[in-house]
Amino acid sequence: DARVTQTPRHKVTEMGQEVTMRCQPILGHNTVFWYRQTMMQGLELLAYFRNRAPLDDSGMPKDRFSAEMPDATLATLKIQPSEPRDSAVYFCASGPGTSPQFFGPGTRLTVL
Amino acid sequence: GNSVTQMEGPVTLSEEAFLTINCTYTATGYPSLFWYVQYPGEGLQLLLKATKADDKGSNKGFEATYRKETTSFHLEKGSVQVSDSAVYFCALSENTGGFKTIFGAGTRLFVKA
Repeated sequence: DARVTQTPRHKVTEMGQEVTMRCQPILGHNTVFWYRQTMMQGLELLAYFRNRAPLDDSGMPKDRFSAEMPDATLATLKIQPSEPRDSAVYFCASGPGTSPQFFGPGTRLTVL
Repeated sequence: GNSVTQMEGPVTLSEEAFLTINCTYTATGYPSLFWYVQYPGEGLQLLLKATKADDKGSNKGFEATYRKETTSFHLEKGSVQVSDSAVYFCALSENTGGFKTIFGAGTRLFVKA
């Protein structure tokens, strides 16, 4: 079965540290999404890419978050500097069209 | 703005019981509607979708009908199994070429043997 993979699965860090999350989308899917899930806010769309080009990152705090797709097999989400309020599960998802089809297992981030 | 509201969980059923998880939406225009499922320890995956009014999406025994008049997309299954235990998310996406899929809060389903 084709799957979206994400690393790391868990990350605990201290406030102010840089965090990088990685995602390998399903081969052939040309749309990649980053979501954040918290108990209070549910699933929030942070950014998405189409054919590796960023289309919208308005859901991200611009001053600390950045998302890139250096190639078709890798998407990254970076937080610098991290803050306790960034603690959440971050999901990458990919799809062949305009909506996500499969999500990765997520990265559970804890910022102390 | 667009939004999705689904019934609060958890929903607890015995095996072979009938399942309904309610979902209603608010949207401008004519959105596509989706149900996603998240099994324990995994990411969400698309379960079924419908792109226009009166369409019925179906997959793995689950089905949902796009009801424009009641702005609803309720998920149903005639006979649930223990393996259906998961969290189910209703979602919508505007059909205007955009990529913004909005999710409901999720409904946890427990199925007892």
